Amino acid sequence: QKEVEQDPGPLSVPEGAIVSLNCTYSNSAFQYFMWYRQYSRKGPELLMYTYSSGNKEDGRFTAQVDKSSKYISLFIRDSQPSDSATYLCAMSPFDSGSARQLTFGSGTQLTVLP
Amino acid sequence: DSGVTQTPKHLITATGQRVTLRCSPRSGDLSVYWYQQSLDQGLQFLIQYYNGEERAKGNILERFSAQQFPDLHSELNLSSLELGDSALYFCASSVTLNTEAFFGQGTRLTVV
Repeated sequence: QKEVEQDPGPLSVPEGAIVSLNCTYSNSAFQYFMWYRQYSRKGPELLMYTYSSGNKEDGRFTAQVDKSSKYISLFIRDSQPSDSATYLCAMSPFDSGSARQLTFGSGTQLTVLP
Repeated sequence: DSGVTQTPKHLITATGQRVTLRCSPRSGDLSVYWYQQSLDQGLQFLIQYYNGEERAKGNILERFSAQQFPDLHSELNLSSLELGDSALYFCASSVTLNTEAFFGQGTRLTVV
């Protein structure tokens, strides 16, 4: 069993929809949680970073962490065609915004249709 | 553009061969990371260097090695290549050990 499981998708939604992307994990040592966005043929870019249970908002993006259930989510409001990408969750036992020893989910491919 | 430069962008080589992937970090970044992304394994951390020294090691095969030079660029050497080594190899860099890392655009390696 993988340490991090992510719904693989693909996910296709109409423009303006609310998107929910999810990951579960099994390693209780994970304390820091990140979401990356990867456009086709590009490197991943960090979207959100959080370490506490609860919600963290940044514009149209909300990251949610439930440590008791070992479950994290990323919500995208008012989705745009430019949001079409692969979204990767990532986790670390360290206080780190860096890429050091992150464990990534397999990614969810999202397409937002105009 | 993240500022991290990887060369070459694409590489096709035969089994058993050896290749070198190169990474130039963002100006001022001291830490370099290498990741492998394949369809079956996803994105996996290989190794990290900080100011020329190895600082963390992940799922890096013994056939693979890396180093960071005094000018802070890094090279990932892959030898005795197998079909299963075909993947995207990403380099990332950050200012220090614990700050946000920025990924390059990757080198797509195809072993035939």
